[in-house]
Amino acid sequence: GAGVSQSPRYKVAKRGQDVALRCDPISGHVSLFWYQQALGQGPEFLTYFQNEAQLDKSGLPSDRFFAERPEGSVSTLKIQRTQQEDSAVYLCASSFRVNNSPLHFGNGTRLTVT
Amino acid sequence: AQSVSQHNHHVILSEAASLELGCNYSYGGTVNLFWYVQYPGQHLQLLLKYFSGDPLVKGIKGFEAEFIKSKFSFNLRKPSVQWSDTAEYFCAVNPFYNTDKLIFGTGTRLQVFP
Repeated sequence: GAGVSQSPRYKVAKRGQDVALRCDPISGHVSLFWYQQALGQGPEFLTYFQNEAQLDKSGLPSDRFFAERPEGSVSTLKIQRTQQEDSAVYLCASSFRVNNSPLHFGNGTRLTVT
Repeated sequence: AQSVSQHNHHVILSEAASLELGCNYSYGGTVNLFWYVQYPGQHLQLLLKYFSGDPLVKGIKGFEAEFIKSKFSFNLRKPSVQWSDTAEYFCAVNPFYNTDKLIFGTGTRLQVFP
């Protein structure tokens, strides 16, 4: 399909485990964003890439969270030593340009930490 | 703190009723404004956007929104809702000049009964 693809769709991790969440943006999209959406809340910004450069990581809640986009397309969000408060839906979005273009969202990865 | 506020958390309507969902933001200067919709089990989709020009913008599925700069508001409206409009609606603001980064409200859950 032509949309933003995220995998896995669901992930259950035991507290302390590391997880990796993948995002395939729309082909040709320059900008890529990660958001965290807790139950009953709106998406909260985590980090932003322009091509392979991570230009803003001000929303990452701790140094356990790490994101990369090494070739300027696929991105991975890694969470080390997961905690229960990390349980949320992690959304990836991409946009065609750097500014004045809407974000296209994936279906998200629902992470449950037990 | 700068934020996006959606005052209606849960709205219940009968089919054919009119809808207005409030959105206020606290950012100064030039902003881009968006409404996104999330149908059950689906990804966030763009309903409409405002960048500049006519403050009354029309989106998909009969939705419209009015930007009132003096009130820092961007309320969403639909004259006659349908059961299929049942979804969660998110207002989002981009107050940045060099990125498509969005700040979201907490969302409004709309339930429409036949």
